[in-house]
Amino acid sequence: KAGVTQTPRYLIKTRGQQVTLSCSPISGHRSVSWYQQTPGQGLQFLFEYFSETQRNKGNFPGRFSGRQFSNSRSEMNVSTLELGDSALYLCASSVQWGTEAFFGQGTRLTVV
Amino acid sequence: KNEVEQSPQNLTAQEGEFITINCSYSVGISALHWLQQHPGGGIVSLFMLSSGKKKHGRLIATINIQEKHSSLHITASHPRDSAVYICAVSRDSGGGADGLTFGKGTHLIIQP
Repeated sequence: KAGVTQTPRYLIKTRGQQVTLSCSPISGHRSVSWYQQTPGQGLQFLFEYFSETQRNKGNFPGRFSGRQFSNSRSEMNVSTLELGDSALYLCASSVQWGTEAFFGQGTRLTVV
Repeated sequence: KNEVEQSPQNLTAQEGEFITINCSYSVGISALHWLQQHPGGGIVSLFMLSSGKKKHGRLIATINIQEKHSSLHITASHPRDSAVYICAVSRDSGGGADGLTFGKGTHLIIQP
């Protein structure tokens, strides 16, 4: 079956703009988590959604937000982009919270 | 001090060698994950374990809950095993972010 799909794969944005990233989980998976990976900080948890509800949020400013739709697809949004937001954004899906996570290929965001 | 510590940070070995990567954690967990990341970003889940030992092909993962320590072993290593190996934990619910908390990763290079 198809894996986790993230779109777009690459994105270049200008400071101050906003961006929306998309994640389509594996069919049947209801939990979607988002992570940011940078060379300096490594992988960090952004937020987790289950059945359209945000279960948890990591330690990121309010410029980072997300949502999950009834078909379990998820989007994350970053407003007022800063240079430091340049990173690889990964989403992972699982059947439910606490079960094995399957990762997408990520979206590489560059803010210039 | 990071909640998840990995060692070594970098490891170069010859093809055929037995490889061990260690992970120690300082928080209560519900599960520990071993992940593999190749250049380009995609992450593959290798193991999710909460006790004992799991084996998949040439890979073996063990966990000692009392000592809060896990090891990932690669037998008969091959150049295609070259990747970053990341230890991550699912924290016990009861406070804080319940998404994965990651180690900094171990950069493994297997030379032919």
